[in-house]
Amino acid sequence: DGGITQSPKYLFRKEGQNVTLSCEQNLNHDAMYWYRQDPGQGLRLIYYSQIVNDFQKGDIAEGYSVSREKKESFPLTVTSAQKNPTAFYLCASSPRTPRHEKLFFGSGTQLSVL
Amino acid sequence: QKEVEQNSGPLSVPEGAIASLNCTYSDRGSQSFFWYRQYSGKSPELIMSIYSNGDKEDGRFTAQLNKASQYVSLLIRDSQPSDSATYLCAVQMNYGGATNKLIFGTGTLLAVQP
Repeated sequence: DGGITQSPKYLFRKEGQNVTLSCEQNLNHDAMYWYRQDPGQGLRLIYYSQIVNDFQKGDIAEGYSVSREKKESFPLTVTSAQKNPTAFYLCASSPRTPRHEKLFFGSGTQLSVL
Repeated sequence: QKEVEQNSGPLSVPEGAIASLNCTYSDRGSQSFFWYRQYSGKSPELIMSIYSNGDKEDGRFTAQLNKASQYVSLLIRDSQPSDSATYLCAVQMNYGGATNKLIFGTGTLLAVQP
């Protein structure tokens, strides 16, 4: 089965703690993305990567970090600098084409603060 | 600021009626437009893409694009209770050079009444 796998489904963070959300895809897609979704708001782009070993900040990158060491994997770390981390986090991937950008999403991780 | 605007709703329609969802966008140069459906607590699912002016039909769904008016809409014919979800409009926008980003609206909540 091809797809995007996010884990865990639910995650709790203690104050001052860093946590890492996992995202793995076997679609052979070049581009991967992390979005944050808050109630009543649209998806906001945190980080994206169009190729291995390269990534770019999105609109709300402060307090987050990523790595892209393998094509299949794009983990997101929510650092202690992110003061309001409670949200639904979505990982997505897409084939890298010059014009079209259809995203395929994982099932999401709900992060809450203890 | 590049934006995508949607009415948050809820849009309530009776079962069997046509639901009309609307979206406007700010970037006149945008070329790719998408509609995603998101059930509560789930990840978005791509249901329609449209790239040229006019209508594109897929089953009960019709996407309409008017680039001159910077307007894209989604019509759902014979609405069913299972169509009740949030519908996200997404527009690909250019941020200089080869950098394109998919910008999401806040979504319209559709409620189909049995």
